Formats: sequence, C-alpha cells, structure tokens
Amino acid sequence: AQKVTQAQTEISVVEKEDVTLDCVYETRDTTYYLFWYKQPPSGELVFLIRRNSFDEQNEISGRYSWNFQKSTSSFNFTITASQVVDSAVYFCALSEVGTNAGKSTFGDGTTLTVKP
Amino acid sequence: DVKVTQSSRYLVKRTGEKVFLECVQDMDHENMFWYRQDPGLGLRLIYFSYDVKMKEKGDIPEGYSVSREKKERFSLILESASTNQTSMYLCASLKRGGAKETQYFGPGTRLLVL
Repeated sequence: AQKVTQAQTEISVVEKEDVTLDCVYETRDTTYYLFWYKQPPSGELVFLIRRNSFDEQNEISGRYSWNFQKSTSSFNFTITASQVVDSAVYFCALSEVGTNAGKSTFGDGTTLTVKP
Repeated sequence: DVKVTQSSRYLVKRTGEKVFLECVQDMDHENMFWYRQDPGLGLRLIYFSYDVKMKEKGDIPEGYSVSREKKERFSLILESASTNQTSMYLCASLKRGGAKETQYFGPGTRLLVL
C-alpha cells in the first residue's frame, strides 16, 4: 500500500522567512509520480509540480524549490522569502503511472500561515 | 485551458436520500477520479475510471457507486446518504501519456447531509 506522510500539521512564519514543508512517502512501485498542490482558502486545488520517480533533479520555480531524494523517500518543498499570499494548505501526493495514472495517495496536508 | 466542472458547489440533503454528484471535463481525458476531503485527513480516493464504463474502487468506496457512460462525464452516487458522508467532494481528470500527465481538479462540492 502507498503512504504519504506530512508530519507538519501546521506551520506559522513571518513574512520573508524561508520555510520547508516535509513529505515522506512509501511505495513498492519502481515508477511513480510525486506532486505538490496548494489549496488556498477558496478551496480549489492548484497544481504546483510533478516529479517522475526516475528524475531526481531538484527544481526551482521562482521562490519555490523542491528537493527529491529517492534514498530517503522524501520530496520536500521550500518557499524562499515567504509572502502572505503563500498562506494555504499544501498537499504532497504520490501517484501511480500507466493506465492508473493519477490514482493518488495524498498526505494529510500542511497548513502554512504567513504573518505580515 | 482544461476545465473540470462539478454540478453544484453546495448541496444539502437529508439522510436516506439518493444523491448524484456530476463531474464533466472538456478535454478528452481518459482518467477521472472522485475524492473526498475531510479536515485533517487530506484527500481520499473513492473511485476512479480509466475508460468509459470502466471503474475501480479507491480507498473508501463503501456507501458510494459511480457511473461513466460517456468519456467526459463521471458521476458519483450516494445510494442512501448518511450524515458521515457530509464532506467536500472533489472530482479530477487526467489525460494519459505525454508531458502533461497531471490531474486537474474541479472546484469541489460541499455536501451536507442532515
């Protein structure tokens, strides 16, 4: 069975601080996808990134960066110089591939509050 | 732009009623999904479908059924609604293969069962 653990239930930071959201996963599959989603107060899930299991390159997109380490089964997400608009619930998810692509197991989410 | 729409944003039903939640996507996606989201529990997969008339159970299928008669439409059915089915329901779709193999989510339906 697949499992995704986001150990941090809630994080609170002051604007401009850097913050890292942790994600650890378990799977027996050799090929899979990892995702991060943002869910602002409006409720709609916003896709942030998808990573293939065979691609361990770290990725940076503006103030966002992701660190994928297969050896520790972790896929952590860092926001640099956080802003109030980053306040949201963030979900890490693990997905099957092939015909079952998208069949996902989600972590319980981390609620990030960025205070001005 | 990919668009996934859900028939209602808010729904109030009574215990024992039959409830239909509709999801439509306009981008010819093969795979479609129904999740429910409860506070502190993340999203949990109820059912998914990888083709017309094909369906597979997810992690929490009990009390639910689904229907996929057309590629663009995936319906979630609560045969006899119960109060423990009060939740946020999210539909998603995905086109298999290629660089854009990513789930797109609808806006969600908040269901209250009284």
